Amino acid sequence: DAGITQSPRHKVTETGTPVTLRCHQTENHRYMYWYRQDPGHGLRLIHYSYGVKDTDKGEVSDGYSVSRSKTEDFLLTLESATSSQTSVYFCAISITGYYGYTFGSGTRLTVV
Amino acid sequence: AQTVTQSQPEMSVQEAETVTLSCTYDTSESDYYLFWYKQPPSRQMILVIRQEAYKQQNATENRFSVNFQKAAKSFSLKISDSQLGDAAMYFCAYRSRGGSNYKLTFGKGTLLTVNP
Repeated sequence: DAGITQSPRHKVTETGTPVTLRCHQTENHRYMYWYRQDPGHGLRLIHYSYGVKDTDKGEVSDGYSVSRSKTEDFLLTLESATSSQTSVYFCAISITGYYGYTFGSGTRLTVV
Repeated sequence: AQTVTQSQPEMSVQEAETVTLSCTYDTSESDYYLFWYKQPPSRQMILVIRQEAYKQQNATENRFSVNFQKAAKSFSLKISDSQLGDAAMYFCAYRSRGGSNYKLTFGKGTLLTVNP
């Protein structure tokens, strides 16, 4: 199985502070994704990457930015955290289309 | 854009019984993939089963099987001989076969409770 780790696993931060979540994979998979999970909304795509320095927006990208300077790392940044960004954030990689995604273990972010 | 609808926010089943979770989707494409993911309380997302749209045969994985009705755009999950460990949130997901950067679109989920 492809190794994918997210850090941190939990975080509490104050409104208005910047926050960066990290996703790291141990294999050179091209496609990486950031989703947020909220009750009643399922998983919604924030941003995704299809290669180093190649990223694009998903359906809920406002207030978020991403960077991918190396194949193995995909960073999600909340420039100025708001309470509406309290959520569980998942990173995922796509090995091939047939196999869907392999997910990280998620980051629970609370903005107070 | 494709949409995925899970019309049952919550379901419950008795242990050892069978339960079916519903999923419908909207697409104009003819070739795509469909998935069911399980999320237990541990929060980990686990792939349960997948279906390729061009295959008419319904996928099965042990106690899990799907009823894929392409014309009706329906993709239901049947869990036979339900076990306590099946209690989880279940998500249906759709993916185009090509040109989508492999993005998955998810439904809102169905929370399954298994009663002993």
